[in-house]
Amino acid sequence: GAGVSQSPRYKVAKRGQDVALRCDPISGHVSLFWYQQALGQGPEFLTYFQNEAQLDKSGLPSDRFFAERPEGSVSTLKIQRTQQEDSAVYLCASSLVSGASTDTQYFGPGTRLTVL
Amino acid sequence: AQTVTQSQPEMSVQEAETVTLSCTYDTSESDYYLFWYKQPPSRQMILVIRQEAYKQQNATENRFSVNFQKAAKSFSLKISDSQLGDAAMYFCAYSADSNYQLIWGAGTKLIIKP
Repeated sequence: GAGVSQSPRYKVAKRGQDVALRCDPISGHVSLFWYQQALGQGPEFLTYFQNEAQLDKSGLPSDRFFAERPEGSVSTLKIQRTQQEDSAVYLCASSLVSGASTDTQYFGPGTRLTVL
Repeated sequence: AQTVTQSQPEMSVQEAETVTLSCTYDTSESDYYLFWYKQPPSRQMILVIRQEAYKQQNATENRFSVNFQKAAKSFSLKISDSQLGDAAMYFCAYSADSNYQLIWGAGTKLIIKP
């Protein structure tokens, strides 16, 4: 595709439910990032993949958050037993090569998660 | 720890005029990159401009330019000839050299008055 796509665009979950958020990066992009953006705030880094390898998951807020990219393309961010504080927009970004600062990150439109 | 501060929650400008958005940052690194991203209401974040800290020359991209003051740790964005399509949230971001982690400010909402 022409850009990064994410699905669903909106997700409403009851507290305690599990959710799965999907990211389709730009074809051929090696690096993939997940960010969490709370209302009125800038994004915060969650995790980083290079191909299928998850090189950094230091930003995941708890062990309820899990991300995978098994074939080095599509990625899924899973949140187990959702809590109200998980309500946010989840942004996915991809970059062509290494993810270094010289490599532009291209963002998807995000998934807005609301936990009731 | 590195931090990025945007002190203007909201700015407004008349169409065709010039506006400057402020950003300050804190770091002990000597080599780093600074970015301005635009996030329109559709939420797709778009890179506007990037500045390498080792470059003294301020980056420019068409109507967008920066004023990078390394000693003051200041990185402001100037938008000339503002257009209605410039209305968006603008985020300042930082990353250390060869580090993929972006550290973001809280954003400034830019309103364009027709």
